[in-house]
Amino acid sequence: ETGVTQTPRHLVMGMTNKKSLKCEQHLGHNAMYWYKQSAKKPLELMFVYNFKEQTENNSVPSRFSPECPNSSHLFLHLHTLQPEDSALYLCASSQDGRGSYNEQFFGPGTRLTVL
Amino acid sequence: TQLLEQSPQFLSIQEGENLTVYCNSSSVFSSLQWYRQEPGEGPVLLVTVVTGGEVKKLKRLTFQFGDARKDSSLHITAAQPGDTGLYLCAGVRSGGSNYKLTFGKGTLLTVNP
Repeated sequence: ETGVTQTPRHLVMGMTNKKSLKCEQHLGHNAMYWYKQSAKKPLELMFVYNFKEQTENNSVPSRFSPECPNSSHLFLHLHTLQPEDSALYLCASSQDGRGSYNEQFFGPGTRLTVL
Repeated sequence: TQLLEQSPQFLSIQEGENLTVYCNSSSVFSSLQWYRQEPGEGPVLLVTVVTGGEVKKLKRLTFQFGDARKDSSLHITAAQPGDTGLYLCAGVRSGGSNYKLTFGKGTLLTVNP
């Protein structure tokens, strides 16, 4: 496996379900990110982890809970979501979050539908 | 108010035509990146520009960073159907968090054969 992988690619869940999104990067990077991409909106940064420590929480509702057990893996735990949370959830990684370039490499995303 | 305004929002052209898309802001950026995103996939980094006035070329794509580092353009020569996709600009604001990459809404380009 190379680059950034995400599973599952598609997820349909009810509002009372609990599910998790997984991201894995094989680039040796130290920073990982979760973004939400909705129609007609720019990519919204949700969380940033740098060297396994959370450095940004962009006012994300508590029904989204991130977990970063090591620099290669990132999870997004979902519970009691709302239909407006339906979107493409993208994971990205970068060498680290401190450089001014911050070139990020994205996974293919998880298309989430909340019924 | 969008921090990074991209225009046009949609562009549909014929194969072989030239085009330019724009990314504008009232804020200064220490670096700016262009990504291309195809349907069902994540954005793929095309280029990073960091110096005011910088021009970078990637085959038929020419990227320019404005002198004041507030705007950027992407010019495609002799567009091909494979250029179809959503073009996103993103940047790190000067004086802002280095962790935060601000994205524009994108330009959706369709190149018809």
